Amino acid sequence: QKEVEQNSGPLSVPEGAIASLNCTYSDRGSQSFFWYRQYSGKSPELIMFIYSNGDKEDGRFTAQLNKASQYVSLLIRDSQPSDSATYLCAVKKEDSSYKLIFGSGTRLLVRP
Amino acid sequence: GAGVSQSPRYKVAKRGQDVALRCDPISGHVSLFWYQQALGQGPEFLTYFQNEAQLDKSGLPSDRFFAERPEGSVSTLKIQRTQQEDSAVYLCASSLAGVETQYFGPGTRLLVL
Repeated sequence: QKEVEQNSGPLSVPEGAIASLNCTYSDRGSQSFFWYRQYSGKSPELIMFIYSNGDKEDGRFTAQLNKASQYVSLLIRDSQPSDSATYLCAVKKEDSSYKLIFGSGTRLLVRP
Repeated sequence: GAGVSQSPRYKVAKRGQDVALRCDPISGHVSLFWYQQALGQGPEFLTYFQNEAQLDKSGLPSDRFFAERPEGSVSTLKIQRTQQEDSAVYLCASSLAGVETQYFGPGTRLLVL
């Protein structure tokens, strides 16, 4: 079992819809959770981070964390074709003060 | 200010050749990380520096991989006797001390033939 699991996709949604991206992690002691967006051939770009259970909103993006279920998700409202990219979930473990453990990413395709 | 920069952006090496990849972190960023990203996968941690000290090199896949950051700024990742399985994108990231957010450079795409 990988430490951070994501469905590889592609997840295809129509423009204007809500895209829901999911991530599960195995280490119950994980402390911090990050969502990065990566366009093809480009480097990862931080979208959001979340530390506490519940929701955190930033513009069209909402991160949701449920530590009991070891589950973190990213919702993208009013999806745009420019949101088409791979979304990487990353976790900082309790025993690490620095390195991130990444999932394999979910490819999102927003259809015009 | 400028973001993280890496050079070269692309490198083609013959199997057995040594390569050196350079990373210039964001000015003032104490922490520097190297990750390896294979095609279709997420980045995998290689090594971590805090200033010039290499605090974790547990992710380096073999003793052919070596990283340094002698003056606490620019870092070099060296791969000796490259193998085809070393083909990947090598990403450098930096962050401020005590801050978890890491900012990535554009990466070096290494192809070993």
